Amino acid sequence: KNQVEQSPQSLIILEGKNCTLQCNYTVSPFSNLRWYKQDTGRGPVSLTIMTFSENTKSNGRYTATLDADTKQSSLHITASQLSDSASYICVVSEEYKLSFGAGTTVTVRA
Amino acid sequence: KAGVTQTPRYLIKTRGQQVTLSCSPISGHRSVSWYQQTPGQGLQFLFEYFSETQRNKGNFPGRFSGRQFSNSRSEMNVSTLELGDSALYLCASSLAPGPGNNYGYTFGSGTRLTVV
Repeated sequence: KNQVEQSPQSLIILEGKNCTLQCNYTVSPFSNLRWYKQDTGRGPVSLTIMTFSENTKSNGRYTATLDADTKQSSLHITASQLSDSASYICVVSEEYKLSFGAGTTVTVRA
Repeated sequence: KAGVTQTPRYLIKTRGQQVTLSCSPISGHRSVSWYQQTPGQGLQFLFEYFSETQRNKGNFPGRFSGRQFSNSRSEMNVSTLELGDSALYLCASSLAPGPGNNYGYTFGSGTRLTVV
């Protein structure tokens, strides 16, 4: 069973709307949690990285939250743009291992 | 500054052949890690090199190997290719080794390998 579960698997939103992606993990002990954006055919690009002591981290219109007690993280996209169409991957780090979520595919429609 | 460069971008090989992929990290980054990405399995960790030494290894067969040179450039080799090896192979560089480091990873655009 994957130690990092993301939901939903995919979603479609209208340009200008907000959306929230979820990441639940069972990895322990936990070093940090990262969110990446991956455009089709390209490598992932880092959006945020949070340690267990951080609750919120923002990068422009992207805001990630982390609840280390419940082992949940979310990525909120504000005022979505067409360029936000991509796969968003949650990655949880232990000291010697990375665990990847399967990703959420976001499609932004005009 | 230049990002992580992977070559070639696309590759088509026949079953049974071998292939070598190259990754040049960001200047100053000494850690290079490799990943396989497929639609069915998602991203999977292959191995990580730091200062020419393999630091971590994922659960892949011995057909997958790598090395790192003194200038931090890394190569990945896959021998006796199988159809299931068709994937996007990504490398990432970082200032420090180990997934637990908080410096973050910068990924290249990947090499798309198709095995026919």
